[in-house]
Amino acid sequence: GQQVMQIPQYQHVQEGEDFTTYCNSSTTLSNIQWYKQRPGGHPVFLIQLVKSGEVKKQKRLTFQFGEAKKNSSLHITATQTTDVGTYFCAGPHSGGYQKVTFGTGTKLQVIP
Amino acid sequence: DADVTQTPRNRITKTGKRIMLECSQTKGHDRMYWYRQDPGLGLRLIYYSFDVKDINKGEISDGYSVSRQAQAKFSLSLESAIPNQTALYFCATSPDRGFQVFFGQGTRLTVV
Repeated sequence: GQQVMQIPQYQHVQEGEDFTTYCNSSTTLSNIQWYKQRPGGHPVFLIQLVKSGEVKKQKRLTFQFGEAKKNSSLHITATQTTDVGTYFCAGPHSGGYQKVTFGTGTKLQVIP
Repeated sequence: DADVTQTPRNRITKTGKRIMLECSQTKGHDRMYWYRQDPGLGLRLIYYSFDVKDINKGEISDGYSVSRQAQAKFSLSLESAIPNQTALYFCATSPDRGFQVFFGQGTRLTVV
């Protein structure tokens, strides 16, 4: 079945440092989504990328979709304590059943 | 998201007991999902439903059952709870077009 892996599983950074999480799918994705889950909270949608090679920015967050549409990355510039949480990528199931497969997640801790 | 409501929010139950987790939504979405979250494993799909008459197994349906009572209601049952079903459970919805997923607040279930 389709697998979506993320690395690293955990990341501790000093406040002000940059952070990147990588997402890799075993199958080609029609689109990729990113979600953020704050500690004790639920995942919340951040963004969706559709086109091969697409890059989108949200303030200090930069999202990329790979040329082959099998990988994606999220980069945070100059992390802040408000960035703490778990970041998930997600993609539509390759079986065409219109359901979403979530990645394993990257838990980010920012040290003040 | 208050539009997707889960009850209870926390539950401790004993091994062998039957337990039901309930979910209701006011978003008007036909598609509803139950996910399970475990550290390091991300969000894994238990069951999903694309309309009232449609129920489908996800990746990890063994030991679980669901009922779609109405467009707005989707409940998850553990017929005979076991300790390795201790996890954080999320109900979610998505619109017919597109894949953005809207999550409930989560139910933390502990089986002792």
